[in-house]
Amino acid sequence: GAVVSQHPSWVICKSGTSVKIECRSLDFQATTMFWYRQFPKQSLMLMATSNEGSKATYEQGVEKDKFLINHASLTLSTLTVTSAHPEDSSFYICSARDPGGRLGEQYFGPGTRLTVT
Amino acid sequence: AQSVSQHNHHVILSEAASLELGCNYSYGGTVNLFWYVQYPGQHLQLLLKYFSGDPLVKGIKGFEAEFIKSKFSFNLRKPSVQWSDTAEYFCAVQNAGNNRKLIWGLGTSLAVNP
Repeated sequence: GAVVSQHPSWVICKSGTSVKIECRSLDFQATTMFWYRQFPKQSLMLMATSNEGSKATYEQGVEKDKFLINHASLTLSTLTVTSAHPEDSSFYICSARDPGGRLGEQYFGPGTRLTVT
Repeated sequence: AQSVSQHNHHVILSEAASLELGCNYSYGGTVNLFWYVQYPGQHLQLLLKYFSGDPLVKGIKGFEAEFIKSKFSFNLRKPSVQWSDTAEYFCAVQNAGNNRKLIWGLGTSLAVNP
């Protein structure tokens, strides 16, 4: 099946710094990728939809200047958490839609655990 | 607004017991329906999906789900659970438009005692 990777798998950073998380589709080209945030024991919260070659679409309440998304190629989308604060600590998950697969099916990355101290 | 409701937040079963996890959604249009599983320390995996056709769909590891359109439901079932089924289960709904984003339920935590 389709594989999506994320890097890094975990990261610790100091408050005020920025962190970049990469999401790659390894064996397919993904025109659309999704970024989620998951709090402990809770469901996934969609943050934004990343479209290759165009601006990301952010969900209501998500600060686009804080969570910068770049989908520069068909296999790579990045999420940059700018000026991170402890409340940004969370599990960030990306998914990618395989346009060659059945309609709508998404493949998920393993997630990135961000801890802001 | 679209929403997905999973009725059971925490379920504890003994091995060999039968499982049914409820999922209801609110959306009047055509939908695709999914069940995902997240094993401890692992990433989300697709259990099964419904797009069209036979409303009873079979997935991996002996799971199945039935789409009942009149009830807006997509309940997940397994006749006999195993300890290895201990995981978090998420129901998700996707409409035909709106960039096909998934709307997620809050999840059900299943613990199977050996």
